[in-house]
Amino acid sequence: DAGVIQSPRHEVTEMGQEVTLRCKPISGHDYLFWYRQTMMRGLELLIYFNNNVPIDDSGMPEDRFSAKMPNASFSTLKIQPSEPRDSAVYFCASSLGRGGFDTQYFGPGTRLTVL
Amino acid sequence: AQSVTQPDIHITVSEGASLELRCNYSYGATPYLFWYVQSPGQGLQLLLKYFSGDTLVQGIKGFEAEFKRSQSSFNLRKPSVHWSDAAEYFCAVAPTGYKLSFGAGTTVTVRA
Repeated sequence: DAGVIQSPRHEVTEMGQEVTLRCKPISGHDYLFWYRQTMMRGLELLIYFNNNVPIDDSGMPEDRFSAKMPNASFSTLKIQPSEPRDSAVYFCASSLGRGGFDTQYFGPGTRLTVL
Repeated sequence: AQSVTQPDIHITVSEGASLELRCNYSYGATPYLFWYVQSPGQGLQLLLKYFSGDTLVQGIKGFEAEFKRSQSSFNLRKPSVHWSDAAEYFCAVAPTGYKLSFGAGTTVTVRA
């Protein structure tokens, strides 16, 4: 298995632009998670899905952030409009079952820089 | 609310020496406990996890961790460190269900 795939690996954009991050989970995994990693706040869970349905988005920082999972093999995290404080590494992870009980497999991350 | 504390921001250890990374959690009950490793530019990889049972847990890459309820700790150890162990290590807890809460991480530098 190729593992969790994220694209792009690096994204540099200007403030105010729309940014879309993409994730392909491991085939057969029912849960998908989006995390953000910054120096100031560490690793934070933004949102997670179960069977393509958003279950908890309480970690999404603002309405500028949105996430979708149109099918079992694809998810997007969108920021519109982007701001410099959104600069971070965004990770996608997937697991077979309940995230707290089953191993979450992380993708390599997307490093976002907003100028 | 639960919290995870990793007291050591950075540890330097000689190759071949032993390593211990500390992790303390704050929660009313025993949570699910994890250690992840992150190599530069990479995602996180699970080293080991503890749910119940034997308090000494064996993981991958020669790592082990010991759960001590009385101290609310879940420290990670390795008897002999290799240069490839240089990375950042994260302790995480999941009190119930899905939500992993991560510690701030400990960066390990291995000197020759």
